Amino acid sequence: GQSLEQPSEVTAVEGAIVQINCTYQTSGFYGLSWYQQHDGGAPTFLSYNALDGLEETGRFSSFLSRSDSYGYLLLQELQMKDSASYFCAAQGNNRLAFGKGNQVVVIP
Amino acid sequence: DADVTQTPRNRITKTGKRIMLECSQTKGHDRMYWYRQDPGLGLRLIYYSFDVKDINKGEISDGYSVSRQAQAKFSLSLESAIPNQTALYFCATTSGEDEQFFGPGTRLTVL
Repeated sequence: GQSLEQPSEVTAVEGAIVQINCTYQTSGFYGLSWYQQHDGGAPTFLSYNALDGLEETGRFSSFLSRSDSYGYLLLQELQMKDSASYFCAAQGNNRLAFGKGNQVVVIP
Repeated sequence: DADVTQTPRNRITKTGKRIMLECSQTKGHDRMYWYRQDPGLGLRLIYYSFDVKDINKGEISDGYSVSRQAQAKFSLSLESAIPNQTALYFCATTSGEDEQFFGPGTRLTVL
């Protein structure tokens, strides 16, 4: 089966760094994705890790450890527009299983 | 024009009514998905399809049905809507294992 655990909410100031963790139990695991969702909006893709290690895309980085069934998303140089929910999603058996999400609130 | 469109964007209906939510995509992808999202929860998979002749149940398919009319169109039906089907519904499409492209969502309220 598939299950993902994510903590729920974090508040941080502009310019700070936030790390969002994700653990998963996914049969036929293939890779871990991260999505951003602003209130009422569509989820948008941020990153994907199929191999162990760190992937960096601008201010956002994502890490995967397959042996630990663990990944994280690192948000650097936080901006007000980064206030959103962030979801990890484990790819396995031809489907994505989403975590419950982590709301990030950026304050001035 | 948006790559993935959903109609309607908002719908209020009554218990027992039949409802169809439609999704169209212009990305040329074979894989299409329907998800529902409830407040404070992540997206849960209802159904998915890898081509016109392929339909697969997701984790919460009870009370729903789908139709893949063409590569570009994937519709979700609630045969007899009930209040606990009130949710935000998203359609998504992808060409492979990584990025899924989501539609804008349909907010459905069942009274």
